[in-house]
Amino acid sequence: GQNIDQPTEMTATEGAIVQINCTYQTSGFNGLFWYQQHAGEAPTFLSYNVLDGLEEKGRFSSFLSRSKGYSYLLLKELQMKDSASYLCAVMDSNYQLIWGAGTKLIIKP
Amino acid sequence: DAMVIQNPRYQVTQFGKPVTLSCSQTLNHNVMYWYQQKSSQAPKLLFHYYDKDFNNEADTPDNFQSRRPNTSFCFLDIRSPGLGDAAMYLCATSTGTGGSHEQYFGPGTRLTVT
Repeated sequence: GQNIDQPTEMTATEGAIVQINCTYQTSGFNGLFWYQQHAGEAPTFLSYNVLDGLEEKGRFSSFLSRSKGYSYLLLKELQMKDSASYLCAVMDSNYQLIWGAGTKLIIKP
Repeated sequence: DAMVIQNPRYQVTQFGKPVTLSCSQTLNHNVMYWYQQKSSQAPKLLFHYYDKDFNNEADTPDNFQSRRPNTSFCFLDIRSPGLGDAAMYLCATSTGTGGSHEQYFGPGTRLTVT
């Protein structure tokens, strides 16, 4: 079966760095996405990785290792507005997104 | 700005009373998706259209139907809503060709069933 695993909840301090991990097992791989979702709102796109390595975009970076079926999202200089759920999703061989249940990130002052 | 629009943002319906949710897009994307998302859960794909080709997920209940009369619009019909259908319904679009196939989401419609 297809499976995406990520921690249910994480807590971090304002100004710090946090890494959210995602492991996956899917039928085929056409890229991995990270989305941010604030409570009661729709997901918004953060990053896309299809090749191994690190993609940096401002305070957010995303890493992929296809051989390990592993990705992480790195958030630096955390701000209170970063409190949200972070969803990992893998595009399978049919170009359908397989979603993780999301990691709820709580930022404390 | 090009975007995905969902109406209404909040919908209340009675148990068993049909309801229709709408989605429109100005991105001219080929693919449109309907997802159901319950609290603290992953979005669950209900249907998607590649142009006019309709694709129904195997575990989508028959109670859910969809229509895409043209490129810009897509509708989700819930024929007899049950209490378990209360959720956020998300519409998304993607190009379907080349690139990352990134999905662009509308703001969602939160459905309450009384």
